[in-house]
Amino acid sequence: EVQLVESGGGLVQRGGSLRLSCAASGFTFSSYWMHWVRQVPGKGLVWVSRFYSAGSSTSYADSVKGRFTISGDNAKNTLYLQMNSLRVEDTAVYYCARVGSYGSGFDYWGQGTLVTVSS
Amino acid sequence: QSVLTQPPSASGTPGQRVTISCSGSSSNIGSNTVNWYQQLPGTAPKLLIYSNNQRPSGVPDRFSGSKSGTSASLAISGLQSEDEADYYCSTWDDSLNGVVFGGGTKLTVL
Repeated sequence: EVQLVESGGGLVQRGGSLRLSCAASGFTFSSYWMHWVRQVPGKGLVWVSRFYSAGSSTSYADSVKGRFTISGDNAKNTLYLQMNSLRVEDTAVYYCARVGSYGSGFDYWGQGTLVTVSS
Repeated sequence: QSVLTQPPSASGTPGQRVTISCSGSSSNIGSNTVNWYQQLPGTAPKLLIYSNNQRPSGVPDRFSGSKSGTSASLAISGLQSEDEADYYCSTWDDSLNGVVFGGGTKLTVL
């Protein structure tokens, strides 16, 4: 059974750092594109970043470029999001998600982890 | 302001058919496939439609998707109370080099 479990969220001051983790199980982590998507409570979904370990490929939304770094550990089947220089507007629930075998759409999502940046 | 445009709300009575639109541009919907997600309150999104009109295993055939040019639509037939949720369209944007979402449509079953 495919499972994605995020952790690492919490309360941090503006300008601070946080590292989110997404533990994957039930599939070969290195064979799939993995993404981070965030959602301010009560608002819509916003894409953050993506990672493909086989080619060490990464992409970022302009709003986080230069501040966030996505990475993965194939041995631990874990996706990471290192978040630096956090801003109040980064406050959101962060989901990790897997692109399905069809190559389109996120077929599995984690339960989300809440990041709150205080001023 | 979302890159893809959806109506903020939609509604219908049980048994009815409702459609939710998603409008984009040549750099996103016009050149890439569209996916749809359903998000029930307090839960993570769930993939409903992928590649414009394909249903993942387990999704009822009451849900269908279509795409034409730079617009896409999600149709729900035989509306049920459990369909009350937020619905999001999504695709890749070649200009932004990233995934884009619609602002979401809150579906109310009257």
